[in-house]
Amino acid sequence: DVKVTQSSRYLVKRTGEKVFLECVQDMDHENMFWYRQDPGLGLRLIYFSYDVKMKEKGDIPEGYSVSREKKERFSLILESASTNQTSMYLCASSPPLAGELFFGEGSRLTVL
Amino acid sequence: QKEVEQDPGPLSVPEGAIVSLNCTYSNSAFQYFMWYRQYSRKGPELLMYTYSSGNKEDGRFTAQVDKSSKYISLFIRDSQPSDSATYLCAFNDYKLSFGAGTTVTVRA
Repeated sequence: DVKVTQSSRYLVKRTGEKVFLECVQDMDHENMFWYRQDPGLGLRLIYFSYDVKMKEKGDIPEGYSVSREKKERFSLILESASTNQTSMYLCASSPPLAGELFFGEGSRLTVL
Repeated sequence: QKEVEQDPGPLSVPEGAIVSLNCTYSNSAFQYFMWYRQYSRKGPELLMYTYSSGNKEDGRFTAQVDKSSKYISLFIRDSQPSDSATYLCAFNDYKLSFGAGTTVTVRA
């Protein structure tokens, strides 16, 4: 059974804190993605990675960075959290050249 | 103009009704057309996938694509309470672009 695991389902942080969101997939997929999901805006791509140590900016990378040191793990970093980063964050993975993304269950982040 | 526009909903229908969900897109480079289903407090999961104009059926679900009009639809026949979810259209060129989602509630 395919599995994308996000380490934290719910987090509450304060403005200015550094936040790490971890994602691990067990399908040996090359591609990994971070999205945020907000009501009325749908899923917006933050960053993606096609290979280890490789990263590409998505549509809304400002205020975020990522790390992919191992194939199975893709981390999203908020260097200095702000209230407008309160959102649901979804990690996904896929094989190369494939349309189907496999999503984790999401991490709901609240920044106070 | 947004690249993808999805009818916002929400929709509330009685059990057994036909549900119709629609998206339009502007990017002619899109080659693959998908519908994802997202249950509350879960990540999206792929429901249907097609790359050509026309209809594709899978049980009670039919995906319809009209490339000339840049329009896709998802129909759910004989809807069940278990179909209550948010449905997201998605389009693929080198990355996936998603619609905002339509929340559907099927009342028993």
